[in-house]
Formats: sequence, C-alpha cells, structure tokens
Amino acid sequence: GEDVEQSLFLSVREGDSSVINCTYTDSSSTYLYWYKQEPGAGLQLLTYIFSNMDMKQDQRLTVLLNKKDKHLSLRIADTQTGDSAIYFCAVNRDDKIIFGKGTRLHILP
Amino acid sequence: GAVVSQHPSWVICKSGTSVKIECRSLDFQATTMFWYRQFPKQSLMLMATSNEGSKATYEQGVEKDKFLINHASLTLSTLTVTSAHPEDSSFYICSASPAGTSGLMGPGELFFGEGSRLTVL
Repeated sequence: GEDVEQSLFLSVREGDSSVINCTYTDSSSTYLYWYKQEPGAGLQLLTYIFSNMDMKQDQRLTVLLNKKDKHLSLRIADTQTGDSAIYFCAVNRDDKIIFGKGTRLHILP
Repeated sequence: GAVVSQHPSWVICKSGTSVKIECRSLDFQATTMFWYRQFPKQSLMLMATSNEGSKATYEQGVEKDKFLINHASLTLSTLTVTSAHPEDSSFYICSASPAGTSGLMGPGELFFGEGSRLTVL
C-alpha cells in the first residue's frame, strides 16, 4: 500500500467540525505534518506534531496522533468557507517528506 | 511569510523540445530546494533535492539526463525537462527550506511554489 494514505474527498456543512484522517506506515517518522493547498496556490504548512505527542491544538485546529495505530487526524472546528482546500498529510522519512494524495474538503452551505 | 515563486505557471510545448521551469525564493535564501511531480489525484512525488553549488540528488527512478536541475544561487533553482514527451505532462512543484532555520519543525518546514503545469503535445 501507499506510505501515507488519506481519503480523497470530504464534505462538511459550514459551522460543523471537519475531521480528516490519515494513516502512515513508517513507524520511525518523528515529524507529522498537515499542509493546506488552496486553489491556485502552493502548499502551506498548516501545523505539525512531533511523534512523542498525542495531541496538539492551535485555535480551530486539533491534531491527534495515535502512534500505535499509525493514525493521524486533523480536526477543524467551526468549518468556514475559507477552509475549502486540499489538505495533505505528510510524514518525514529521515530528511525527506512523504506526502499523501490529499483530501479535498468541500464546504456545504 | 516566506515566498517561493515558480515560473512559468503553465506551459505547452511540442514533443521533443526542452522546457525550463524556474523556482525562486523571493525573500529568503535557500541552500536546499526540492522538486516534486504531482499526477492527478496522486501524492507529490519527490523527484530530486537541489543543493546550491553542487549536483542535485535524484530519487530512485528519476532520470538525471531527462530532468536537469541547476541550483546556481541561493535564491534560484531550475528544472529543465529535456526532449519532453507527452508522458512528461504533469504538475511540477518546487519547495525551499530557509537557510539557517532552527529545525524545530523538522524537515517539513518548507515553503512551496504555486506549481507549474506542463503539457506536452
């Protein structure tokens, strides 16, 4: 299977919470990232978590890491139309970054 | 924040011609830049690591003679697709890591260009 897997699409109503899930295979990854790509723009590092952490919260964003299951999630609270984008899960393999295919988040009115 | 610019944003060329894509860090110096290729609904595939003043390091399976990378200065890296063919059509993205960063975020503290879409007819 792929090194980093995530579902391709997610639709959420405005105001609800969005949860984007990701699984990875390399248990030696020490850094795990979420990137955001808006239409016509490059990827931007949204947030990251170190592998010895279970959770990280930054305003509306919550990252959860289950290292045992190699599962990473990104929760966006109170989803807004401006959150519409593609979200890439990524992990490091030594000095390289391995990306998932990206989850396209669609916001429903 | 740090800005990375790619040029051109899109290019159409005939089969057999060569195409050069530029990646510039506009407000910071980058000793290392990375080139990726992205197919529709696929993840970003790292093609090579571009090091200022030295040869690029290519990933397994990437043809060095096909994808020429030059990192002539701390703010510019170029990717040249030589003798392009339709199967080279893709979205090419570069990223850069600011020189002298603390490393707090690990190797993922990257700034990405907007990408360049290449279509080979």
